Amino acid sequence: DQQVKQNSPSLSVQEGRISILNCDYTNSMFDYFLWYKKYPAEGPTFLISISSIKDKNEDGRFTVFLNKSAKHLSLHIVPSQPGDSAVYFCAALAQGGSEKLVFGKGTKLTVNP
Amino acid sequence: DARVTQTPRHKVTEMGQEVTMRCQPILGHNTVFWYRQTMMQGLELLAYFRNRAPLDDSGMPKDRFSAEMPDATLATLKIQPSEPRDSAVYFCASGSLGRTWDPEAFFGQGTRLTVV
Repeated sequence: DQQVKQNSPSLSVQEGRISILNCDYTNSMFDYFLWYKKYPAEGPTFLISISSIKDKNEDGRFTVFLNKSAKHLSLHIVPSQPGDSAVYFCAALAQGGSEKLVFGKGTKLTVNP
Repeated sequence: DARVTQTPRHKVTEMGQEVTMRCQPILGHNTVFWYRQTMMQGLELLAYFRNRAPLDDSGMPKDRFSAEMPDATLATLKIQPSEPRDSAVYFCASGSLGRTWDPEAFFGQGTRLTVV
C-alpha cells in the first residue's frame, strides 16, 4: 500500500524553465512533508519541507505547495538549472505519532541545457 | 562535519551467505531508519529505532532480516541467508524526531549489495 505516490517516474525540462514535481498521499494522519534530492551513488539530501499548517514554503528557487483537501503537494523549481538534474523523493510523516518517514518512489528530473 | 557513516559501501556476496551492514548515526540523533532502494519500490522503509528501541520493522522480511542498535553509535542490518532478490542499495538515516523534534533525516551514502 503506497501511502506516498509520485506518479511521474521522470520529467524533462529546459534550463531556465519551471520544473513541477508532484506528490500525492493517502494517509490523512500525515502532517509534515519533505522533499529530498538524490544524485547517483549518493544518499538523499534534504531539500525543503512544509507543515500542514501552511500551504506554501519557499526557499530560493524551490517552493513547495500543499493542498490538504486534495492530499497533494508539489515542488516547483524556478528557474531550473542543469545541476538540478537528480531524483526527487517526496516524503511524509505524522507528527506526534509513529513519526515514521515514508517516501514515494521518486521522480527523475533532467534539466537540459 | 556531522554525517551518517555506512559500511561497507559495496558488498558482493554469494547466495546463502550472511551479510551485515553497519551504520553510525549522527551523534545526538535519537532516531535511526533503515531504507532499501530498488527500481520498483523506490525508498522502502525496512525498520526504525527511537532511542535505540525498535519501533517498527514491519517492512522487513522477518525470516531473514534483522536490525539492531547495540549502542547509540551503531545500528546494524543483517541478512541471513541472503538471496539475489535482496540486491539493492541500503540506506541508513538518522534524525532528531519525537520530543526534540526536527523532522529532517540525514542519510548515509548507502551500501550497494549484490547477491549472486
